[in-house]
Amino acid sequence: GQNIDQPTEMTATEGAIVQINCTYQTSGFNGLFWYQQHAGEAPTFLSYNVLDGLEEKGRFSSFLSRSKGYSYLLLKELQMKDSASYLCAVADSNYQLIWGAGTKLIIKP
Amino acid sequence: NAGVTQTPKFQVLKTGQSMTLQCAQDMNHEYMSWYRQDPGMGLRLIHYSVGAGITDQGEVPNGYNVSRSTTEDFPLRLLSAAPSQTSVYFCASSYSSGTGANVLTFGAGSRLTVL
Repeated sequence: GQNIDQPTEMTATEGAIVQINCTYQTSGFNGLFWYQQHAGEAPTFLSYNVLDGLEEKGRFSSFLSRSKGYSYLLLKELQMKDSASYLCAVADSNYQLIWGAGTKLIIKP
Repeated sequence: NAGVTQTPKFQVLKTGQSMTLQCAQDMNHEYMSWYRQDPGMGLRLIHYSVGAGITDQGEVPNGYNVSRSTTEDFPLRLLSAAPSQTSVYFCASSYSSGTGANVLTFGAGSRLTVL
């Protein structure tokens, strides 16, 4: 079967760095997405990786290793507004998205 | 630019009632989809459409119908509501369904409770 695993919840301190991991087993691979979802709101797109390596976008970076079925989202200089759930999703061989359950990130002052 | 508009935002139904969740997008996106989001689970695809007149089933289609008569609109119909359909529903759209980074734009969500 197809499976995406992420930690359920993480806690970090304002100003620090946090890494959210995602491992996947899917039928084929056509890219990995990270979305941010604030409580009670819609998911919004953060990043997309299809080749191995690190993609950097300001305070956020996303890494992919296809051979290991592994990705992480790195958030630097954490701000209180980064408190949200972070969703990992993989596009399978049919380009259908398989979603993880999300990681709830709690930022403490 | 409104993006993806979903209505209603909240709805309470009794078991057996029917209703339609509305979704409209103004971005000329070919691909539209409906997801449900339940606690502790990933988003699950209910139905999707790759263009006007074309719809297909996702992972959890039972109890739901869709149609796509125009590019802009993609309503989701609950035929006979059941408590198991209590969930938050998201409509999402993108330019196309395959080949590359098709970023989904989500509506604000519709919270449905079935008593």
